[in-house]
Amino acid sequence: EAQVTQNPRYLITVTGKKLTVTCSQNMNHEYMSWYRQDPGLGLRQIYYSMNVEVTDKGDVPEGYKVSRKEKRNFPLILESPSPNQTSLYFCASTILPSWTGTWTNSPLHFGNGTRLTVT
Amino acid sequence: QKEVEQNSGPLSVPEGAIASLNCTYSDRGSQSFFWYRQYSGKSPELIMFIYSNGDKEDGRFTAQLNKASQYVSLLIRDSQPSDSATYLCAGGGGADGLTFGKGTHLIIQP
Repeated sequence: EAQVTQNPRYLITVTGKKLTVTCSQNMNHEYMSWYRQDPGLGLRQIYYSMNVEVTDKGDVPEGYKVSRKEKRNFPLILESPSPNQTSLYFCASTILPSWTGTWTNSPLHFGNGTRLTVT
Repeated sequence: QKEVEQNSGPLSVPEGAIASLNCTYSDRGSQSFFWYRQYSGKSPELIMFIYSNGDKEDGRFTAQLNKASQYVSLLIRDSQPSDSATYLCAGGGGADGLTFGKGTHLIIQP
């Protein structure tokens, strides 16, 4: 079954304790992305990756790191979590946007989400 | 700054009626538009996508795109209680991916 798998689904941690949220996809997608979702603010992109070893900042990258050492995996790393990073996190993947004079983006496939609480 | 605007709602519609959801976008470079449905605490699931001006129909759903007015809409015919959810509009215009609106909360009243 084609899917994006995130782990863990729920995580409660304390300020400053490093954590990693894993994301893996089995669709051979080049493009992967992390979003956070907060009430009243919607989905905001944290980081994205166009391919292995290629990552770039989204709209809210502060306090986060990512890596893309393999095509299927795109972990999100919080080196020193703070309470303002309490949120619902989604990993997503898709094929690369295509250019034919204009850009065409393909639909994102989302993981099931990770609810993170930092106390 | 790319922006996608949606009315947050709630939008209340009687069962069996047509629900009309709207969104506007700021980036004229956006060429691809997506509607996602999201139940509380769950991940967004794709309803429809549209790339060309005009209408696109899929079952009970119709997406409409007007690039001149920078306007996207989603119509849901014969609304069912199971359609009650938050609907996210997203636009994409290149390598930095999709920009999402904050979503419209739709309630279908039995």
